[in-house]
Amino acid sequence: NAGVTQTPKFQVLKTGQSMTLQCAQDMNHNSMYWYRQDPGMGLRLIYYSASEGTTDKGEVPNGYNVSRLNKREFSLRLESAAPSQTSVYFCASRALSGAMGTGELFFGEGSRLTVL
Amino acid sequence: AQSVTQLGSHVSVSEGALVLLRCNYSSSVPPYLFWYVQYPNQGLQLLLKYTSAATLVKGINGFEAEFKKSETSFHLTKPSAHMSDAAEYFCAVSLSGAGSYQLTFGKGTKLSVIP
Repeated sequence: NAGVTQTPKFQVLKTGQSMTLQCAQDMNHNSMYWYRQDPGMGLRLIYYSASEGTTDKGEVPNGYNVSRLNKREFSLRLESAAPSQTSVYFCASRALSGAMGTGELFFGEGSRLTVL
Repeated sequence: AQSVTQLGSHVSVSEGALVLLRCNYSSSVPPYLFWYVQYPNQGLQLLLKYTSAATLVKGINGFEAEFKKSETSFHLTKPSAHMSDAAEYFCAVSLSGAGSYQLTFGKGTKLSVIP
């Protein structure tokens, strides 16, 4: 059982380049998330998708776009990378029962992005 | 909006000593609370969660946490630290109802265990 799979695990970009981080989950979860983790900042929510066909901004959405391709897949795109986007990115999925917030997040192993 | 404050970005304990990691939350409605652990170069794993069924919650690896509404706290404890507990720990809060889709994390506490 793979859980949440992210690709690539490592990427180095030059300022202004674009790239897409891919995420797929095999747990039949409705909700999917993208977080970034920076030292001393914890995890900050970039975007989330409560269900297939919907996406919403989180705390730090500027400079990013997302696509919920289907129930399994949720991608994060950097259109014009900046050094401030150097971070570790985590995809996560979550099962929610109605509007209850009791379900936990299941995380991928992370994608380390460096923007020069 | 909900928020979480973790007191102490670094905590050091001796092997065999009590582990106490502090978490305080702010929420206008009853929250759901979570503790996650992150080992180096890995994703986050759930340790335990509070979903209003019982105020004392037991998790994996001997950890437990107690929800105290009067203190708006959800501190994580373990009676005896093991070297394998060295990791970073994150407290997180979620809400019921309209705010339930977002999980908000604290900034984390890195636990070091001294042999």
